[in-house]
Amino acid sequence: EAGVTQFPSHSVIEKGQTVTLRCDPISGHDNLYWYRRVMGKEIKFLLHFVKESKQDESGMPNNRFLAERTGGTYSTLKVQPAELEDSGVYFCASSQSPGANVLTFGAGSRLTVL
Amino acid sequence: GQNIDQPTEMTATEGAIVQINCTYQTSGFNGLFWYQQHAGEAPTFLSYNVLDGLEEKGRFSSFLSRSKGYSYLLLKELQMKDSASYLCAVNNAGNMLTFGGGTRLMVKP
Repeated sequence: EAGVTQFPSHSVIEKGQTVTLRCDPISGHDNLYWYRRVMGKEIKFLLHFVKESKQDESGMPNNRFLAERTGGTYSTLKVQPAELEDSGVYFCASSQSPGANVLTFGAGSRLTVL
Repeated sequence: GQNIDQPTEMTATEGAIVQINCTYQTSGFNGLFWYQQHAGEAPTFLSYNVLDGLEEKGRFSSFLSRSKGYSYLLLKELQMKDSASYLCAVNNAGNMLTFGGGTRLMVKP
């Protein structure tokens, strides 16, 4: 089966610009997660979708970040306007069931804000 | 608060055994995961422990002690391809994983 696909693999933008990251989960996985790793820090949770609904968005840093999953398939994460501290690697993961189920991660989208 | 500690770097020799430790303090516990991540690639699942004891899977084993908030990942018969980052993560009774900073393992010939 195809894995979790993320696009773009790397994006370089200037402060104040907008970037949209996309994640295609494994087909049939209702649960979709966004995580990110900023430089020198651990991977941190951003939010969790169950189908098209946001189950938990407690990790979203501020209102410059907007995640959507219209139709319950792929998801997008938009950063607008981007700030320098948003630089890092954004990982998407999916699972069939929530809770203590194994997450399958994508390779991540590296965001560099100049 | 949530706190997961693991060594930043380790070095070992090809063919040897290495143990990567992880200690955790979390507000809840619903299992501990180990992931392997090669540079620029996706973290891939290695093991899951929810009960105390040792889980063995080929060359890799993982141990958990819930009372001590402690886990380790044991890698036997090290190969060069085992050079990677190893991530300890706790499912703290929600639907999210809390990660440690990762341990970068270098395997030398």
